[in-house]
Amino acid sequence: NAGVTQTPKFQVLKTGQSMTLQCAQDMNHEYMSWYRQDPGMGLRLIHYSVGAGITDQGEVPNGYNVSRSTTEDFPLRLLSAAPSQTSVYFCASSRDRGGYTFGSGTRLTVV
Amino acid sequence: AQRVTQPEKLLSVFKGAPVELKCNYSYSGSPELFWYVQYSRQRLQLLLRHISRESIKGFTADLNKGETSFHLKKPFAQEEDSAMYYCALVLYNTDKLIFGTGTRLQVFP
Repeated sequence: NAGVTQTPKFQVLKTGQSMTLQCAQDMNHEYMSWYRQDPGMGLRLIHYSVGAGITDQGEVPNGYNVSRSTTEDFPLRLLSAAPSQTSVYFCASSRDRGGYTFGSGTRLTVV
Repeated sequence: AQRVTQPEKLLSVFKGAPVELKCNYSYSGSPELFWYVQYSRQRLQLLLRHISRESIKGFTADLNKGETSFHLKKPFAQEEDSAMYYCALVLYNTDKLIFGTGTRLQVFP
């Protein structure tokens, strides 16, 4: 039982490049979310999903896309990376509202 | 607007002292609140949720709807309690979980 697995752990991008942050969970959780963590700003919700085929925007969705084709996977796509997207990204999943299990994070630097 | 406020960025106490980490929320609906903790070099983990009314690692939190608060308390702090603590709120109409900005607790020996 791996829980929530995020890849990669570290990534450096050039401005304008695109990439996908991967997130997978093996707990059959319906709820999944993506957050970014920045100093002094806590965790801010980017996108979330309440089940396969259903996604919605969080607090800071601009510049990011998501899809949920399966219960297990919830990838986050950066369309055209900007320095403002330098952050630590966390994926999380839950069986119910609020009781989330978090991944170990992806540290992204955009230069 | 829905919001979770943690007014203290840093709280420093000595071992054995009482601890209170403050959390206030702004939400028009019926709130469901949580405390999460992130120890150094570890992933974020759920500490407790108000509907469970349980004590985890000696921590308790009571929902006060009149004061719109959900403060986290522990009567005697331990060095291993040093971590980043986040208060969070579920928005029932959208199922979003939103976080406060966090409070770093430092417990000195």
